[in-house]
Amino acid sequence: DAKTTQPTSMDCAEGRAANLPCNHSTISGNEYVYWYRQIHSQGPQYIIHGLKNNETNEMASLIITEDRKSSTLILPHATLRDTAVYYCIVSRTGANNLFFGTGTRLTVIP
Amino acid sequence: GAGVSQSPSNKVTEKGKDVELRCDPISGHTALYWYRQSLGQGLEFLIYFQGNSAPDKSGLPSDRFSAERTGGSVSTLTIQRTQQEDSAVYLCASRNHRGVATEAFFGQGTRLTVV
Repeated sequence: DAKTTQPTSMDCAEGRAANLPCNHSTISGNEYVYWYRQIHSQGPQYIIHGLKNNETNEMASLIITEDRKSSTLILPHATLRDTAVYYCIVSRTGANNLFFGTGTRLTVIP
Repeated sequence: GAGVSQSPSNKVTEKGKDVELRCDPISGHTALYWYRQSLGQGLEFLIYFQGNSAPDKSGLPSDRFSAERTGGSVSTLTIQRTQQEDSAVYLCASRNHRGVATEAFFGQGTRLTVV
């Protein structure tokens, strides 16, 4: 599965949109982009995934570039509880591993 | 249950002892993963089970580590002759791999401390 590159850390003011970028330039045509987050001392939590179209759910929006080599996770109104490590993963259906990398540590500031 | 359940939540063991960590996946999920997360680090893949296929053991760090999944459901990760460097949070996840892109659901982990 393709690997991803994310910034190590980001800050975001409470109530503002948090935009977390991810590069996956070696993504294959059958690989999806998944986002998870891990709040301190908890197991990772699924956020959203997509193939090539932009996706939105109650937690976030996922914007995937047309060439699929990068994506952005958007938390529209960040709260303090969104402080976590955010992982961008690319994975094909049936993959035997979800490679988490080091993720982006998002800190939401009051 | 509604989610992935892991037990125990915490385990303290003496160096050299064997430990068993249990994972109850979501019912019907065909895939099961074990990961390890050392303090302040990312998730390290250990092993993957998918249905009746042979497990992918490529992430197991040494032959002291083994895992099994009985009846395609509950999984046990066993660490023999534990060492201090085995101290970490061990996370289990399950996923339904039936043909479409699906997310993995994680348990809350077992925090293992080897003293």
